[in-house]
Parts: sequence; C-alpha cells; structure tokens
Amino acid sequence: DIQMTQSPSTLSASVGDRVTITCRASQSISSWLAWYQQKPGKAPKLLIYKASSLESGVPSRFSGSGSGTEFTLTISSLQSDDFATYYCQQYNSYSHFGPGTKVDIK
Amino acid sequence: EVQLVQSGAEVEKPGESLKISCKGSGYSFASSWIGWVRQMPGKGLEFMGSIYPGDSDIRYSPSFQGQVTISADKSINTAYLQWRSLKASDTAMYYCARGGSYSPWRPLDIWGQGTMVTVSS
Repeated sequence: DIQMTQSPSTLSASVGDRVTITCRASQSISSWLAWYQQKPGKAPKLLIYKASSLESGVPSRFSGSGSGTEFTLTISSLQSDDFATYYCQQYNSYSHFGPGTKVDIK
Repeated sequence: EVQLVQSGAEVEKPGESLKISCKGSGYSFASSWIGWVRQMPGKGLEFMGSIYPGDSDIRYSPSFQGQVTISADKSINTAYLQWRSLKASDTAMYYCARGGSYSPWRPLDIWGQGTMVTVSS
C-alpha cells in the first residue's frame, strides 16, 4: 500500500494569508495526485488533479505543485469560504487519501 | 445538471443486511467509473472501490475486499453498495462519486450527498 501523509494536520490562518499544505507519498506516484476540499456536513469537492491541473470552476487562488513523493496545495490569498479540511488523494496504485489538513480561523 | 443522488439515511442492527443506492443523471452513466468512499465519524476519507456500470467491472481496495459488495444497474443509472452482515464499525457516511472513464482509481469530480449508515443494537 502507498501511505499518504499531510502536514500540518491543523493550520490556523487569517483571511488574506498565503497558505501551503504538504502531502507526501511513501513511494513515487509520479503526478497522480488530487486535492479535495471538504466542509462540515458536505461532500468533498475536487480542486486539483494530476498534481497541478485546476478543476473547472475552481478559483485560481488554488494551485498545486510537485511530483514523485512530495506535493503542495497553495491558496494564494485565503478567503472566508476556504476554511475547510483539505485532503490529498493518490491514484497511482489503487487510491488512498491523506489524513486531511484542517484550515481554521486564527 | 450532472448529479448523483444517494438513498436516505439508514439505521440498522448488527447482523442485518443493507443495500444503499446512488442514481446518476445528466451524463452517460454507463461510461464513467463510480467510486464509493467511506468516512467514519470525525475521520478521513477511505476509497472502498469502483464499478464501471457499462460492463459491471468492479475493483475493490484491498481493505474492503470481501467486506462489501458493489454493483450497478446501468438500465436505471444506479450503483449500489451492499453489506451481508453489518457491524457497529460500519457506522459511517458513505459517498458515491464519479471517476474517470479509463481507470477505476481516477479523481472523483461529481459526488453524491452521502448516505449515513448507523449500526447499533
């Protein structure tokens, strides 16, 4: 199994901040990584696929980068609507989600 | 509108069987994998497996193989997740979601609203 880790597990930030979340895979997954946003009581929403491709309709303040085993999700200027939990997902071999990063209000 | 609509919340006793559903509309249901994702209370997301409704090709994540059964009826654009004998540890929110056309493990771009399954004596 490919193990996924995320850091930090919780991140406190303010509106307007630049936020970066890191996702690491236990072995190389090339660029087969996606990012999701989940708000309480709601289904996850796809933000990024293939490490850096922005899903249609997702604001451009979200961006993804990385390849191999280390990936980042960046929110360039945090908005009030962005307070949520973020998950990475590898789909190189089967599919596994990371444990999540909760972004809350500082 | 492309959407997946799941069946309603269920409360069952341990040992009972259960089948929940996920109905697609607004796209060619038979031509995209449908994945099932578990989220236990307060926990993260777990990919259970996927089905390609066009030919009912099914792939299970190793952790869920033998624990659940995934099926689909393309004639009514519906996928299913089934348990033969529920355990308390099956208590969770279950999501269906649309994957890609060529692989069972692709990102999930359209999600159902979730079905909460509670197993309690």
